Amino acid sequence: QVQLVQSGAEVKKPGASVKISCKTSGYSFTDHYLHWVRQVPGQGLEWMGKINPSGDSATFAQSFQGRVFMTWDTSTRTVNMELDNLRSDDTAVYYCCMAGSVYLPPDNWGQGSLVTVSP
Amino acid sequence: DIQMTQSPSTLSAFVGDRVTITCRASQSIDTWLAWYQKKTGKAPKLLIYDASNLESGVPSRFSGSGSGTEFTLTISSLQTDDFATYYCQEYKNYHTFGQGTKLEIK
Repeated sequence: QVQLVQSGAEVKKPGASVKISCKTSGYSFTDHYLHWVRQVPGQGLEWMGKINPSGDSATFAQSFQGRVFMTWDTSTRTVNMELDNLRSDDTAVYYCCMAGSVYLPPDNWGQGSLVTVSP
Repeated sequence: DIQMTQSPSTLSAFVGDRVTITCRASQSIDTWLAWYQKKTGKAPKLLIYDASNLESGVPSRFSGSGSGTEFTLTISSLQTDDFATYYCQEYKNYHTFGQGTKLEIK
């Protein structure tokens, strides 16, 4: 059974960076893409990007280009997402989620991590 | 980028009603479309993938149809548990979500 367990809530100041981790288990490591999606309070779901299973290729939504980074730590089966130069409108719940292949949408989700950006 | 537009933004209905939500893509996405259910404080739940395939464990009252640029999610007989916000998502390009449809109890 696939499990995605995310790191806890964070409070950051504007201009800072945040790194959220997503520890994965319960599946074959070779063919699952890991995505990140966020939801700003009162708004809809927003896709941020995805990383391939080997960690050598990532695709990001244009609105996050240059500000978001994703890495796999294969030794711990953990994906990390870093968002730089935080603004108050980055306050959101961030989800990691996993798709069975590049041809499928994510069907397993982490519990979400609240990031609050406040002076 | 592909833009996804859902309608309506809000839908009020009674338990037992049949409801349909529409999702339009700004360009053809073939059948690379998913539908999710989102409840407050919970992660999204995949309902439909490839436009019309029911995810395992999802009740059969949910169904999806469409291809190209127009898609629909239908709930055949609303249950109390179905009142939530629904999102379409394309996964041909950048996995863009629609803006959501909030389904409320009338």
